[in-house]
Amino acid sequence: NAGVTQTPKFQVLKTGQSMTLQCAQDMNHEYMSWYRQDPGMGLRLIHYSVGAGITDQGEVPNGYNVSRSTTEDFPLRLLSAAPSQTSVYFCASSPDRFGTEAFFGQGTRLTVV
Amino acid sequence: KQEVTQIPAALSVPEGENLVLNCSFTDSAIYNLQWFRQDPGKGLTSLLLIQSSQREQTSGRLNASLDKSSGRSTLYIAASQPGDSATYLCAVMNRDDKIIFGKGTRLHILP
Repeated sequence: NAGVTQTPKFQVLKTGQSMTLQCAQDMNHEYMSWYRQDPGMGLRLIHYSVGAGITDQGEVPNGYNVSRSTTEDFPLRLLSAAPSQTSVYFCASSPDRFGTEAFFGQGTRLTVV
Repeated sequence: KQEVTQIPAALSVPEGENLVLNCSFTDSAIYNLQWFRQDPGKGLTSLLLIQSSQREQTSGRLNASLDKSSGRSTLYIAASQPGDSATYLCAVMNRDDKIIFGKGTRLHILP
């Protein structure tokens, strides 16, 4: 049982490049979410999904897109990377949104130069 | 807009002491509150989950309480050990389906 898997673990991008951060879970969880963690800022919610085909914006959605075509996968797309998007990104999943434990991936450390 | 605050931001205590970490939130319309631990450079590990209808949860030396009406939660760590050194984060799951985190408390247990 792999849990929540994020790839890649590290990435360096040039300003203006695009890329997709992958997140996959094998627990058949309905709820998935993306966060960024910056020093002194805690984790901030970027986008979330309560089920396949449904996505919504979190606290800091600008510059990021998501899709949820399957229950298992929830990729995060940076369309045109900016230095302000340098951060550590975490993906999480939970069985549902009503009161169940959230499980986190190990994170992707992204640097935009 | 939900805001989650954790006090203190950092804490150092001698090994063996009991300690309390605090978390407050502004909107009581939540499904649950969860406490996490994060070691440097690592992901988050769930410690305790308290449903909105519950008052407390216990796991080993950890006890978390929830007072939804006052918007407060505490994480009590008994007989602290150097291995407890980490950042502790609390997060609430709002009824608008958003999980909002506090900024965390950095805990250092002195041997």
